[in-house]
Amino acid sequence: AQSVTQLDSHVSVSEGTPVLLRCNYSSSYSPSLFWYVQHPNKGLQLLLKYTSAATLVKGINGFEAEFKKSETSFHLTKPSAHMSDAAEYFCVVSDAEDSNYQLIWGAGTKLIIKP
Amino acid sequence: DVKVTQSSRYLVKRTGEKVFLECVQDMDHENMFWYRQDPGLGLRLIYFSYDVKMKEKGDIPEGYSVSREKKERFSLILESASTNQTSMYLCASRGLTSNDEQFFGPGTRLTVL
Repeated sequence: AQSVTQLDSHVSVSEGTPVLLRCNYSSSYSPSLFWYVQHPNKGLQLLLKYTSAATLVKGINGFEAEFKKSETSFHLTKPSAHMSDAAEYFCVVSDAEDSNYQLIWGAGTKLIIKP
Repeated sequence: DVKVTQSSRYLVKRTGEKVFLECVQDMDHENMFWYRQDPGLGLRLIYFSYDVKMKEKGDIPEGYSVSREKKERFSLILESASTNQTSMYLCASRGLTSNDEQFFGPGTRLTVL
């Protein structure tokens, strides 16, 4: 069965410093993995997705994530945080074993940017 | 530009009222979903539909029902609203493969008094 664990409910970084949001997943087969972002009072937006091509995936707004099968991780990173990155981030997994209809969502990580 | 629209952004209802939340997508997607989002709990799946007139219960279906009479429209019904159903409700649609992402509507913030 699939599951997703976002290891931190809140992450606080200073503007201009690197961002690391951690995500571990459990999946029986080769998964598809997604990161979504939700800015305050805004809708959910796809940041990036991994679909078994390159293990390092680049997304919007300078974010990227690396798929590491041996560690069952899909951590989200950004070299330099900007104030506009303050939002909630969700890691999501889908795989071919389970229904195509569902994605399993992590509980979310709130990213706080200090000036 | 792909779109998922929801009938209301904000809704206030009284306990015991019947509530309809409507969602329309223009991407010809087979799969549609209703979630509720509460602080600290992430997204929780209420129901999903994989075809017209087809539906499956998600993780928290109690107190809710759904209707999908047309491919583009998926409705969430609260038969008798209760205060613990105060929440943000999100509709999403998705294509058929495991690689496809979900596209979300803007959400409906429902308050039940």
